[in-house]
Amino acid sequence: DQQVKQNSPSLSVQEGRISILNCDYTNSMFDYFLWYKKYPAEGPTFLISISSIKDKNEDGRFTVFLNKSAKHLSLHIVPSQPGDSAVYFCAATRRGSTLGRLYFGRGTQLTVWP
Amino acid sequence: DAGVTQSPTHLIKTRGQQVTLRCSPKSGHDTVSWYQQALGQGPQFIFQYYEEEERQRGNFPDRFSGHQFPNYSSELNVNALLLGDSALYLCASSFSSGRTGYTEAFFGQGTRLTVV
Repeated sequence: DQQVKQNSPSLSVQEGRISILNCDYTNSMFDYFLWYKKYPAEGPTFLISISSIKDKNEDGRFTVFLNKSAKHLSLHIVPSQPGDSAVYFCAATRRGSTLGRLYFGRGTQLTVWP
Repeated sequence: DAGVTQSPTHLIKTRGQQVTLRCSPKSGHDTVSWYQQALGQGPQFIFQYYEEEERQRGNFPDRFSGHQFPNYSSELNVNALLLGDSALYLCASSFSSGRTGYTEAFFGQGTRLTVV
């Protein structure tokens, strides 16, 4: 049972434009959400996170939005750069009880073209 | 500061064989989790080790076992390998603050296991 879903396997965006990656979850007990970026032949790298008590978190070009009522989060990258081309994984956890166990989506391949 | 290191990076095994994968956590981290990432899928949680004990386990059979050593490094063992065990195995380390808190997980580069 996939508790975290990324329904778009791929996204193609022109350099300088906004990239929006989406993620849905089904478990209302999740209270912390993370985005990881993965390049080929490397492990996932932590990008940005958000607690369920917030609806937005920014870090430079990256912003994550959380809509708890819709069980939906999104990652915005502005402006997009060719170096952002990678697979992006959405992950969720329950901080107080699952001790860091992460539930991942299947990932979205982002391609940023010049 | 070395991050999470895994060995080997690639491995080819035959069905029925056994394999051991190794992980050294990031300096200062005491918790190690293992994930399996099959082709086209997201990482799936196998189990987590803290204080040399398996603290929680995902939906994987008993053929998957692990160990954590006093220096916090960890091993993942898989017995009676099946073709379906072919995947990227990722180790993640974090720091557990008490029994419920933790820091974000840092991942190693993974071990690509191919079962033929």
